[in-house]
Order: sequence, then structure tokens, then C-alpha cells
Amino acid sequence: TQLLEQSPQFLSIQEGENLTVYCNSSSVFSSLQWYRQEPGEGPVLLVTVVTGGEVKKLKRLTFQFGDARKDSSLHITAAQPGDTGLYLCAGGDGKAAGNKLTFGGGTRVLVKP
Amino acid sequence: KAGVTQTPRYLIKTRGQQVTLSCSPISGHRSVSWYQQTPGQGLQFLFEYFSETQRNKGNFPGRFSGRQFSNSRSEMNVSTLELGDSALYLCASSLSLNEQFFGPGTRLTVL
Repeated sequence: TQLLEQSPQFLSIQEGENLTVYCNSSSVFSSLQWYRQEPGEGPVLLVTVVTGGEVKKLKRLTFQFGDARKDSSLHITAAQPGDTGLYLCAGGDGKAAGNKLTFGGGTRVLVKP
Repeated sequence: KAGVTQTPRYLIKTRGQQVTLSCSPISGHRSVSWYQQTPGQGLQFLFEYFSETQRNKGNFPGRFSGRQFSNSRSEMNVSTLELGDSALYLCASSLSLNEQFFGPGTRLTVL
């Protein structure tokens, strides 16, 4: 069974500070996705990384996939209140045809103005 | 383009009853996946349907079932409801691998 562990579980910071969320596993994933979920809504896909060592930037968000494709990180620079939400990482099972995602437990981020 | 829609958004049932949830994927998307989200277990994969066939299945009991219609709309059914089935049930559609678009979910409360 593939498992993904996210840390920290909760993060509270002031507007303008930086933050990093980690997603770790002992298993190799074919892809790693990051989502943000707000209360009452479904998760919204932020990025997908598929190559070991890959780094993707989306404005103030930087995503990295580990060389061995077992871990990933999300870094937010100069966080804003609009970044508040539940951040979820999800790994794709390369052995299964189609879509079968394993989700991490999530990191709840609160950015205070 | 319209997003993934789920109906109903909220549902209250009692133990022992059964429930059917509906999901309409984004137009053109043939893959529909279902997930259960609870505070304790997080998001867990239930099953995926593609072209009316179940393509992947998670580790849930047989009380959880689903189907997909020729227009890609999908339904999931839970029979003999238990208190622990209270959760947010999310549907996601996709056109390609590694990219899933989620609906707002159906919040099921079992009393």
C-alpha cells in the first residue's frame, strides 16, 4: 500500500512570510500532484510533476519533485491571506492504468493579514 | 466550459438506508473517479470509471458501488449506511492521466 505523509499538519504564518510544505513516501510515484482545497469546495489542481528532480514555478509557488520520485515540496514566497487553505499532495500509481491517486493527509495553512 | 457538478450537495440519511450520489463530468471527459474525504482518514480513493467500465478500485467494502452511463455521467451508491459513512464524497473527472478536476462534493450525514 502506498502512503504519503505530509508535514506539517498545520501552519500559521503572517502575511509576507515564506512557508514550505513537505510530502514524503517510501514508495515511488509516477507523478505527484498538488491541490488546494477551500471550505465547502473540492480540491483544485495546482500543479503536476512527473520527472524526478523537476521544479515548477507558479507565480509565488515553487514545487519540487524529489530525484527518486518519492517526495515533493511546495514552497510559497511572501504568502498572502488568499493562500489560506488545505494543501494536499497526491501521488499517481504508475502500476494502475488510469487514474488512482493516493492523497497525503493535508497541510492546513493559515496566512494572517 | 462547465465544471464537474455533483448532486445533491447535502444529504442526511439514517443508518441502514441506502443513498445514490450523482456526478456530471466536464464535457468530453470520459474518466470519472470517486473519493471519500473524512477528517480522520483524509481523501481516500473509492473507484474510477472509464467508458462505462470500472477501471480501478480502492479498498472499500462492497456496500460502495458505482456505475457510469454512456454520456460519462456517474453515480455511486452506498447501501446499508453506517455512521462511519458520514463524509464528503468527491467526484473528479479527467481527460488525461495526472490531471483530475474535482466537483464541490456531496456532504453525507448518517444519523
